[in-house]
Amino acid sequence: QVQLQESGPGQVKPSQTLSLTCTVSGGSVSSSDSHWSWIRQPPGKGLEWIGDIFYSGTSSATTYYNPSLKSRITTSVDMSKNQFSLKLRSVTAADTAVYFCARLSMTDVFDIWGQGTLVAVSS
Amino acid sequence: QSVLTQPPSVSGAPGQRVTISCAGNTSDIVTDYYVHWYQQLPGTAPKLLIYDNNNRPSGVPDRFSGSNSGTSASLTITGLQPEDEADYYCQSYVTSLKGVCVFGTGTKVTVL
Repeated sequence: QVQLQESGPGQVKPSQTLSLTCTVSGGSVSSSDSHWSWIRQPPGKGLEWIGDIFYSGTSSATTYYNPSLKSRITTSVDMSKNQFSLKLRSVTAADTAVYFCARLSMTDVFDIWGQGTLVAVSS
Repeated sequence: QSVLTQPPSVSGAPGQRVTISCAGNTSDIVTDYYVHWYQQLPGTAPKLLIYDNNNRPSGVPDRFSGSNSGTSASLTITGLQPEDEADYYCQSYVTSLKGVCVFGTGTKVTVL
């Protein structure tokens, strides 16, 4: 059974870069039947898809990003650690949210989720 | 940025039937793609509840059902239970945004 666990700082200063990692257990980040996704939820608000990454197994990864965040996002995969990561640059208070990592199945559903980690943007 | 609109809240007594709508602001969402539904209990991560318009993953009670008329999707809980009190989100993709994933605005279900 695949499980996901987010990790990273709980607080980031404005204008800095938010960096989070999601560790995959019980499965492989290089699986051909999975996209690895980031989704966030500001306190008291709804869900927002950030983006996802698919490792094609040919030493390259394909990424898909929310157009509203695309200019500030980088995602990557580390096969040696079985992890995938998110970097969000130039953060503001509006980026304060619980960040979830999730698996996007080949049928385009988020079928496995991490527990989420709260990141507060504050000086 | 969500282009899927849900009612902010619905409520019902135990045993009643409640329906949550999910309407796209253009016809290229619920028509072109499947709609999926997630349940988020307080303080937890969302959980897949319905996929591909009307299918339940293993373990989801059959009181949950989904439908998609082509212009609007809906989630129905038949025989509301106290443990169904949660937030519910629909999710789909937007053709005109080159397949960008979108979530609905979310609906709080309250069991009276």
